[in-house]
Amino acid sequence: DVKVTQSSRYLVKRTGEKVFLECVQDMDHENMFWYRQDPGLGLRLIYFSYDVKMKEKGDIPEGYSVSREKKERFSLILESASTNQTSMYLCASSLLAIVQDFRQPQHFGDGTRLSIL
Amino acid sequence: GQSLEQPSEVTAVEGAIVQINCTYQTSGFYGLSWYQQHDGGAPTFLSYNALDGLEETGRFSSFLSRSDSYGYLLLQELQMKDSASYFCAVGMDSSYKLIFGSGTRLLVRP
Repeated sequence: DVKVTQSSRYLVKRTGEKVFLECVQDMDHENMFWYRQDPGLGLRLIYFSYDVKMKEKGDIPEGYSVSREKKERFSLILESASTNQTSMYLCASSLLAIVQDFRQPQHFGDGTRLSIL
Repeated sequence: GQSLEQPSEVTAVEGAIVQINCTYQTSGFYGLSWYQQHDGGAPTFLSYNALDGLEETGRFSSFLSRSDSYGYLLLQELQMKDSASYFCAVGMDSSYKLIFGSGTRLLVRP
């Protein structure tokens, strides 16, 4: 079974802090994703990566950056946390497939509920 | 812009059949996926349709009509454990990313 592990289930930080959210997957997946989930808005993609050191912006990248130094690890960084970044953050991974074939599912971690005070 | 529309809430009785619709307006389309998420849990993949028609996996089926930009998830023989949120998602370009709908909360009552 694919295991996607997020480092914290709950996290409380202060405005202006630099925040690191870590995600590790154990299935040698090429693709990794960071989403935020807010009530009524579904899952919104922040950043994704299809290879080590590669990253692509998603739909809401402002205020975030990412790092992928190793294939199994994808980190989300809040450069200067703000209260509007209080949310549930979900990491996912998927196997590289033929481009335009989305049959390979995304496997999600349990999420990090981040509160910025 | 890109949009996926699905009902926010659906209620059904145990043992019944329920259909959750999803209509999409996206600049590209390569397939429609469905994910299930229980409260406090991780989303899990249910099904994927790239071509028109019905795909069946046990009690769950998913349908796609590309000409109508429409799909649905059909849940049969509803069980209490099916109470969860269901998200449709579209793969719309040559990257690997998905665009998710806002989710449908299904409540199954005894």
